[in-house]
Amino acid sequence: GQQLNQSPQSMFIQEGEDVSMNCTSSSIFNTWLWYKQEPGEGPVLLIALYKAGELTSNGRLTAQFGITRKDSFLNISASIPSDVGIYFCAGASNFGNEKLTFGTGTRLTIIP
Amino acid sequence: ETGVTQTPRHLVMGMTNKKSLKCEQHLGHNAMYWYKQSAKKPLELMFVYNFKEQTENNSVPSRFSPECPNSSHLFLHLHTLQPEDSALYLCASSQDGRTGGSRNDYGYTFGSGTRLTVV
Repeated sequence: GQQLNQSPQSMFIQEGEDVSMNCTSSSIFNTWLWYKQEPGEGPVLLIALYKAGELTSNGRLTAQFGITRKDSFLNISASIPSDVGIYFCAGASNFGNEKLTFGTGTRLTIIP
Repeated sequence: ETGVTQTPRHLVMGMTNKKSLKCEQHLGHNAMYWYKQSAKKPLELMFVYNFKEQTENNSVPSRFSPECPNSSHLFLHLHTLQPEDSALYLCASSQDGRTGGSRNDYGYTFGSGTRLTVV
C-alpha cells in the first residue's frame, strides 16, 4: 500500500528558530494535508494543498505541494512555545476519495 | 455543540469488561472513521463508514465491533480486550467530495480521542 515517510521524526529547537519538515511518498498524491496534534487532543487541520507546486500560508506556517506530487513541505517561522506538538502530513490519491494516508509524524519540542 | 465529540475522554477497563466508545459529529459529514494511535506508531485506520455503511475494515480483530446507526453517530464496542489494545482511539469525519462537497470542505475533522487503558 501507499506509504508516507515523514522527516525528521523529532526536532528540538529553540524558541524563535524556523522549522522545516517534509513528507515523501512512493506514489503520487493529488491532495496533501498537514495536521497538528497537541498532547491529549486529536489532530487539527492546518493547511490543505490541492495543486502541484501550490504554496499556501496560514500565519507563520507555509506548506508546499511538491511538483512531482510525491512530496510536501511544511515550514514554521519564528517558532513559539505553543508550536509544540506532533505534525502529520496526509495525502489522498483522488479528490472525493476521502481515505487519507497519514505520515508517521514529526514531534516538535521547543527548548526555552 | 460543533465539531466531532468523543466520549469518554478516558477509559480504564479490565480484559473481561465490555464497554463502548461514542463519537458524534455535528458537521453534516457523510463519512466517519475510527483510528487507533499507539505510542511511536503511525495512525492506524480501523474502520470507515460512508452513509452509515461500512466500507472498510482494516483487518481489525473481532473484539472491536463498530456500529453506525446514522451518519452523525459512530460507536466502537469493546469486549475481551488485551493490554496491547491500550491506545488513543480517534474518531474523524469528512464530507465525501463525490457527493457535492467542495475542496474547501476536504480533510478529516478529528475528535479529541478516548485514551483507553486495558488492565
